[in-house]
Amino acid sequence: DADVTQTPRNRITKTGKRIMLECSQTKGHDRMYWYRQDPGLGLRLIYYSFDVKDINKGEISDGYSVSRQAQAKFSLSLESAIPNQTALYFCATSSSKRDGGDEQFFGPGTRLTVL
Amino acid sequence: GDSVTQMEGPVTLSEEAFLTINCTYTATGYPSLFWYVQYPGEGLQLLLKATKADDKGSNKGFEATYRKETTSFHLEKGSVQVSDSAVYFCALSTTSGTYKYIFGTGTRLKVLA
Repeated sequence: DADVTQTPRNRITKTGKRIMLECSQTKGHDRMYWYRQDPGLGLRLIYYSFDVKDINKGEISDGYSVSRQAQAKFSLSLESAIPNQTALYFCATSSSKRDGGDEQFFGPGTRLTVL
Repeated sequence: GDSVTQMEGPVTLSEEAFLTINCTYTATGYPSLFWYVQYPGEGLQLLLKATKADDKGSNKGFEATYRKETTSFHLEKGSVQVSDSAVYFCALSTTSGTYKYIFGTGTRLKVLA
């Protein structure tokens, strides 16, 4: 079974619609992240959460919001989707208890298309 | 500001060729450095990492050395295989000031049989 799961895997929606992307993990990690991947731009951090009560904006948080419902669940919402939010979205986790750097574990991604 | 710059791809090599993918960084403090690999249709997975200057990370025949004097973390492999075809991302993390995890733009590697 996958340690980090994302739903849905693919989504096509229209401009102005509200969209929620969900992420669940069974790794027992305290930290969770949302990224978007665009061709030629690599991955950019949208939001991150170091525990259930800690939510922080990343590099490109405008137009997005998040909710950390439990240690294992972190959802990303697009309140009113626009076409330039078309991208591949990744959830990732890490543990503050691991020594030797901040390795992140990624889900399989959600491909979102906004028409 | 903090950043990661890696060579543009695509890089096309024949099987058993030597691979180098360049990565340089700009960061305050002492970041940790990473190489991630992304196979088609999958998320990123850690390939190797180094947490301090002169550390060498290695995994699956890939190596990279944390060079503080040149702010570099170049990825190398002595003999690539077709199965190494993927996109490779250099990244840094730092907690100096605001937490940051910054990825390069990725380098696509294609290995031909």
